[in-house]
Amino acid sequence: QQQVKQSPQSLIVQKGGISIINCAYENTAFDYFPWYQQFPGKGPALLIAIRPDVSEKKEGRFTISFNKSAKQFSLHIMDSQPGDSATYFCAASIALGTGRRALTFGSGTRLQVQP
Amino acid sequence: EAQVTQNPRYLITVTGKKLTVTCSQNMNHEYMSWYRQDPGLGLRQIYYSMNVEVTDKGDVPEGYKVSRKEKRNFPLILESPSPNQTSLYFCASSPYGGTTEAFFGQGTRLTVV
Repeated sequence: QQQVKQSPQSLIVQKGGISIINCAYENTAFDYFPWYQQFPGKGPALLIAIRPDVSEKKEGRFTISFNKSAKQFSLHIMDSQPGDSATYFCAASIALGTGRRALTFGSGTRLQVQP
Repeated sequence: EAQVTQNPRYLITVTGKKLTVTCSQNMNHEYMSWYRQDPGLGLRQIYYSMNVEVTDKGDVPEGYKVSRKEKRNFPLILESPSPNQTSLYFCASSPYGGTTEAFFGQGTRLTVV
């Protein structure tokens, strides 16, 4: 079964701290791992993504760490700001053949950054 | 502006009364899909469409119908809504094949009483 497990369900971090959200997967055929950010009243939007041939990708304060052998990947938000307060979804993408792909989402993490 | 537009944003209806949630995208994407978002369950795919007149079931299709008569539109139809379909619904579109990035609409909050 294509499944992505995400933790924690909710997270409270002080301003300036590091937020860490973890995801794990089973299917080794997943070949693309995006993270989506969702603000209240909005749809999810792509934040950052990584392919399994690299162990880390950094964009500004956001970093994905990828451990292929453990089938785990995580999102780190450095110097967390109140404006980062949102729900974060990890996801994993898999090719289904004939050009099709499927995207499976984790259950989401609600991040609250306190001023 | 590239966007996915859903309507309505909010809807309260009664059990059994047919309803349609519209979705339109202006990015010329072949792939469109519908998700429902429930607390603790994340985003679960209801139906998807690879192109005009091509639709297929996602993970939770029961109680829903879709159609894809035009490339830009992908309406979600609830023929006989039930309270367990109370949820937040998102339409999304992607370039051909549902590749990497999905662009989401702003969501439709549906309450079935």
